Amino acid sequence: GAVVSQHPSRVICKSGTSVKIECRSLDFQATTMFWYRQFPKQSLMLMATSNEGSKATYEQGVEKDKFLINHASLTLSTLTVTSAHPEDSSFYICSARVRGYEQYFGPGTRLTVT
Amino acid sequence: ELKVEQNPLFLSMQEGKNYTIYCNYSTTSDRLYWYRQDPGKSLESLFVLLSNGAVKQEGRLMASLDTKARLSTLHITAAVHDLSATYFCAVGDSGGGADGLTFGKGTHLIIQP
Repeated sequence: GAVVSQHPSRVICKSGTSVKIECRSLDFQATTMFWYRQFPKQSLMLMATSNEGSKATYEQGVEKDKFLINHASLTLSTLTVTSAHPEDSSFYICSARVRGYEQYFGPGTRLTVT
Repeated sequence: ELKVEQNPLFLSMQEGKNYTIYCNYSTTSDRLYWYRQDPGKSLESLFVLLSNGAVKQEGRLMASLDTKARLSTLHITAAVHDLSATYFCAVGDSGGGADGLTFGKGTHLIIQP
C-alpha cells in the first residue's frame, strides 16, 4: 500500500530557530501533498497544499513567510518553520493524494519549541 | 466556507453495545472520509465514501453517506475495547480530490469492559 514517511518524528528546538520537517512518499509519486497542524486534543487544520514544481497554496490565516513549503520532487515535500516560537508547538502531519480520492497520512512530527 | 460538525464529541460506552457517530457538512462535496487516531499517533484511514447511498463495512464499523442530507454516519456494532480511539470525519470541498480536507472536531470514544 501507499506509505508516507515523515522525519523527524519528534523535534525540540529553541525559540527563534528554524526547523525543517520532511514528508516523503516511499512507494509512489505524489504530485500533491498536504500539510496539517493539530494542537493537543483538537482537530486537524489544513495549512497548505504543496504542488510539485510550483508554489504552495496556503490556507487563510497561515503565514507563508513563516511556514515555508518546498516540493522539489515527486516524492518529497518539506515544511520549514522559521523563527519558531512556543505557540508553534504542535503535531504536524503531511498527507499525499493517491489514485484520485485516496489520501494517506504520514506518522506526524511533534514539534516542541522551548 | 465548508464546515464539518461531528457529534457526539465524547462518547463512553460499554463493550457489546451499539452506537452511531454523526457527521454533518455544510456544502456539497464529492467525498467523505473517516479516520481513526490513537493517542500520539497519526491517522489511519477507515473509509472513503464517494456517492449518495454509499455504505462500507469493515469488521464492527459501518459507514454510510447521504449526500442530499449532507450527513454521514459511522456505526459501531457490539463495541470492543480495541475500538477506543478518536474518530474523525473529513470532507473534501472540490472535485477531483485536488484540495485538502476539512475535518470535524473528532469523537473521542472510550469503550469500557
